[in-house]
Amino acid sequence: EAQVTQNPRYLITVTGKKLTVTCSQNMNHEYMSWYRQDPGLGLRQIYYSMNVEVTDKGDVPEGYKVSRKEKRNFPLILESPSPNQTSLYFCASNPGQLTDTQYFGPGTRLTVL
Amino acid sequence: GNSVTQMEGPVTLSEEAFLTINCTYTATGYPSLFWYVQYPGEGLQLLLKATKADDKGSNKGFEATYRKETTSFHLEKGSVQVSDSAVYFCALRLIQGAQKLVFGQGTRLTINP
Repeated sequence: EAQVTQNPRYLITVTGKKLTVTCSQNMNHEYMSWYRQDPGLGLRQIYYSMNVEVTDKGDVPEGYKVSRKEKRNFPLILESPSPNQTSLYFCASNPGQLTDTQYFGPGTRLTVL
Repeated sequence: GNSVTQMEGPVTLSEEAFLTINCTYTATGYPSLFWYVQYPGEGLQLLLKATKADDKGSNKGFEATYRKETTSFHLEKGSVQVSDSAVYFCALRLIQGAQKLVFGQGTRLTINP
């Protein structure tokens, strides 16, 4: 089954404790993105990647890092989480430049205390 | 800047009622327009799209027409069902191949039997 998976689905952590949210897609897509969803703000892009070893900032990159060492994986790293990073995070992928559809993962609900 | 504005929610309707969710956009250039739907506990799924002016996107009984003169992409359905209860997001993408979707804030729809 074609899908985007994220882990963990739920995470409660404390300020300053490094964490990684994993994202994996099995569709051989070139493009992957991370979004955060906050009430009243919709989804905002954090980072995106156009291919292996090619990443760029989205609208709200502060406090986040990403890497793309393999085509299928695009982890989101919070080196020192803060309470304002409490949010619902979505990973997304799409096949290539000539397509419009992004496929979304199920989401990761993160709470930083 | 580029932005999407959706009607304020939440919206509550009875089964078989007519649905309209308004969406207007501001963009430089000629965006593609999308409606995504998020069912409880799930990621976003593409509902429909339109890539140029006067295009009509349709899926599952939902329709939206790309109106360049009014910069709008309102979502409509003639007879809603309880299973349509979800959060609906209007979004734009600026150029074909660009990876960022600009989302509206989302509209929560609840359909009562």
